[in-house]
Amino acid sequence: KQEVTQIPAALSVPEGENLVLNCSFTDSAIYNLQWFRQDPGKGLTSLLLIQSSQREQTSGRLNASLDKSSGRSTLYIAASQPGDSATYLCAVRPNQAGTALIFGKGTTLSVSS
Amino acid sequence: DTEVTQTPKHLVMGMTNKKSLKCEQHMGHRAMYWYKQKAKKPPELMFVYSYEKLSINESVPSRFSPECPNSSLLNLHLHALQPEDSALYLCASSHPRRGGLGANVLTFGAGSRLTVL
Repeated sequence: KQEVTQIPAALSVPEGENLVLNCSFTDSAIYNLQWFRQDPGKGLTSLLLIQSSQREQTSGRLNASLDKSSGRSTLYIAASQPGDSATYLCAVRPNQAGTALIFGKGTTLSVSS
Repeated sequence: DTEVTQTPKHLVMGMTNKKSLKCEQHMGHRAMYWYKQKAKKPPELMFVYSYEKLSINESVPSRFSPECPNSSLLNLHLHALQPEDSALYLCASSHPRRGGLGANVLTFGAGSRLTVL
């Protein structure tokens, strides 16, 4: 059974720092991997999606990488800002038909000014 | 239109009430999902509809009854809920994977916050 783990569970950094959030998954047979952001009490905002054949995706200050063989993905945030404070969720979509996203527990990021 | 709209945003109901949560999208997505999220936990999949047919039911109690009346709408009917059912209910949509359309990005709504008294 696929399991998704995110480390660290919480992270506090001063404004301007570059930071890395980690996601690992136990079964490398994935269809794609998606990173989301969630503000407290709100829905999920999709940040980046990486197909299983891709190595990385970039959007603005965000860069996500995927190493499927080792079961790892990282989300790199450059020049962090207080507005980046939120919970970041990693989710994988297994290859098997009839399955949907499996989420990690998230990393709660706090960026202080 | 690139949004998933959920109504109501907040719902308070008693254990004997019958209510419904609604979800709507006009992106042409033919897969729609209900997730349940408790505080400080990741979302948990409840149901998946693909081409308006129920394709996944993750052993959800029968007091939750999904309905997909057309390709743009997804409902979740609630009856005889328990206080532990209080949570944020999230709807999402995507192109079905087997259709090979798009990048299969799941787009989520803002959620409906349910409180069962």
